[in-house]
Amino acid sequence: AQSVAQPEDQVNVAEGNPLTVKCTYSVSGNPYLFWYVQYPNRGLQFLLKYITGDNLVKGSYGFEAEFNKSQTSFHLKKPSALVSDSALYFCAVRDTFRSSGSARQLTFGSGTQLTVLP
Amino acid sequence: ETGVTQTPRHLVMGMTNKKSLKCEQHLGHNAMYWYKQSAKKPLELMFVYNFKEQTENNSVPSRFSPECPNSSHLFLHLHTLQPEDSALYLCASSQVGTVDEKLFFGSGTQLSVL
Repeated sequence: AQSVAQPEDQVNVAEGNPLTVKCTYSVSGNPYLFWYVQYPNRGLQFLLKYITGDNLVKGSYGFEAEFNKSQTSFHLKKPSALVSDSALYFCAVRDTFRSSGSARQLTFGSGTQLTVLP
Repeated sequence: ETGVTQTPRHLVMGMTNKKSLKCEQHLGHNAMYWYKQSAKKPLELMFVYNFKEQTENNSVPSRFSPECPNSSHLFLHLHTLQPEDSALYLCASSQVGTVDEKLFFGSGTQLSVL
C-alpha cells in the first residue's frame, strides 16, 4: 500500500521569506511524486513531479521540490514567497510505472494550507 | 482553464432529492475520475473510468452512481444523500499509458446536503 503524510495543516510565512511545505511518503517500489496546488474556488493544478533523475525538481511559479530517498521525503520549496502563493498544497504519490495501460491510483495527502503574509 | 469543465459549481439538495453532476473534458484524454474533497482530509478517489469502462469503485455507497457515456463526458448521479456527503466533488482526466501521466482537474461542484 502507498501513503502520503503532510504533517502540517497550516504554514504561515512572510512575503519574501523562503517557504517549505513538507511531505513524506511510503510505497512498495520506486515512487512517482507530485505536487498539486489548489487556489480558492478552483480545482487542483499540477505544479511539479519527480519520476527519475535529478533529485531537485523545478516546477511552475518558481517552486521546486527535493526528492530524498533515504528520508522518503519530497518537500516543496520556494526561495522567496509571494502573497499570491497562498493556497492549499497537496502532495501525491504513485507506484512505479506499469505498462498495463490501466488507470492507476494517485494517493494524495490531506493538504497544507499555505498563507503568505504581506 | 484546465480543459475540464464541471457543472453546476454549487448545489444544495435535500436528502430525498435526485440530482446529477456533470463533467466534460476537452483534452482528448482516455480516463476520467471522480474525487471527493472534504476539509483536512486526503482526496478520496471514488470512481475511475478508463476507455469508458469503469475500472475502480472504491467502496462508494450506492447512493452515488457514475455514468460515462463517452470518453469526454462523466456524470455522477446522486439520490437520497446524507448530510455527511456534503463536500467538494472534483472531476479529473488523464491520458493513461504515458510515463508523464498527470491529472487535470475541474473546478469542482460544492455540494451541500440539508
